[in-house]
Amino acid sequence: GAVVSQHPSRVICKSGTSVKIECRSLDFQATTMFWYRQFPKQSLMLMATSNEGSKATYEQGVEKDKFLINHASLTLSTLTVTSAHPEDSSFYICSQTSGSTYEQYFGPGTRLTVT
Amino acid sequence: AQSVTQLDSQVPVFEEAPVELRCNYSSSVSVYLFWYVQYPNQGLQLLLKYLSGSTLVESINGFEAEFNKSQTSFHLRKPSVHISDTAEYFCAVSDPAFGNEKLTFGTGTRLTIIP
Repeated sequence: GAVVSQHPSRVICKSGTSVKIECRSLDFQATTMFWYRQFPKQSLMLMATSNEGSKATYEQGVEKDKFLINHASLTLSTLTVTSAHPEDSSFYICSQTSGSTYEQYFGPGTRLTVT
Repeated sequence: AQSVTQLDSQVPVFEEAPVELRCNYSSSVSVYLFWYVQYPNQGLQLLLKYLSGSTLVESINGFEAEFNKSQTSFHLRKPSVHISDTAEYFCAVSDPAFGNEKLTFGTGTRLTIIP
């Protein structure tokens, strides 16, 4: 299957600062990528659908001005957490679709800790 | 709206014993069903999926799952587990009627194999 990388794998930032997380598709052109958030012992919650060359589609309850998504190319989508607060601390995971097989390929995730 | 229930958050099993991880979903329409596995410190990987056709689907490492429409279940089974099966298992559902591949995940089941 396709390989998806995320950078950084872990990041610690101070409250009020912004953090950018990169999601790269290493061997597949992904027109659509998804961003998830996972709290400890909880399920993955879809935050937004990132479409190459257009605006992201956010799920209900997700602040689009706080979680900025940019999908500038077929191999790169970025998630920027703006003015981060301790409650934004979480595990952020991206995925890309395969197209016809309804399979998603997931990145290894980024652990964000806001102090 | 779709939802997925994984009743067992943790399942300890002795090595070479059988295991069943339960998954129930609620949806008013036909669905696609998936099991993903997350090994320690790795991203989610697709284990198996049901899109259509035979209700019994198998993975390459001995797992199988059966789609039961009347019981709205997609339980995962393996007749004999190995230490290497220790991981977190997530059941997920998508609705093909929406024409996209958004996934709704269960809360996950942590499978621990006891030597």
